[in-house]
Amino acid sequence: DTGVSQDPRHKITKRGQNVTFRCDPISEHNRLYWYRQTLGQGPEFLTYFQNEAQLEKSRLLSDRFSAERPKGSFSTLEIQRTEQGDSAMYLCASSSTDKKSVIVNEQFFGPGTRLTVL
Amino acid sequence: GNSVTQMEGPVTLSEEAFLTINCTYTATGYPSLFWYVQYPGEGLQLLLKATKADDKGSNKGFEATYRKETTSFHLEKGSVQVSDSAVYFCALSPWGFQKLVFGTGTRLLVSP
Repeated sequence: DTGVSQDPRHKITKRGQNVTFRCDPISEHNRLYWYRQTLGQGPEFLTYFQNEAQLEKSRLLSDRFSAERPKGSFSTLEIQRTEQGDSAMYLCASSSTDKKSVIVNEQFFGPGTRLTVL
Repeated sequence: GNSVTQMEGPVTLSEEAFLTINCTYTATGYPSLFWYVQYPGEGLQLLLKATKADDKGSNKGFEATYRKETTSFHLEKGSVQVSDSAVYFCALSPWGFQKLVFGTGTRLLVSP
């Protein structure tokens, strides 16, 4: 088990460009989450998937943001027409619905993708 | 709504000192409560958790007790080490929801 991985680890882009991030969850985990963390703040929930179904989206997820998990394994988060306010660390987490964790909702986090919009 | 309030940092301590990081929450129903830790250059790691009132979570010498009457989940450790220097996040998971709601984090600096 190699944990949750994210790619790239760092992304610098110019305002107005599109960016896409990838998350690979722990292999047996069926739930996958995206969070955003700005400097000096705690992570804020964006969206989550159970298998390939996107079950909840935060109001933070504007129309410029889209997330997919086409085969219920890895996920992508795309930001279109990036703005300077999108600069943040984007975190991915995964969890399992087996009996040991279904109530506790233990989420395992990846190292994050740091986005800088110039 | 659901929210978590943590004491502001940084908290600066000498090695072997006693640590308390305060955390209070607002939630509907019966949330689960968590402490996550972020070491320099690393991702968030679950430190401990509690799922119901009066539960005590513990790990690596850290403890926190779920106090429903005071809506608190304070983190404590009897003797901190330099290696405990990190940012600590208190979080809750609302009953019936999957998301985590985090506090702003408290940076702990432990000097030798």
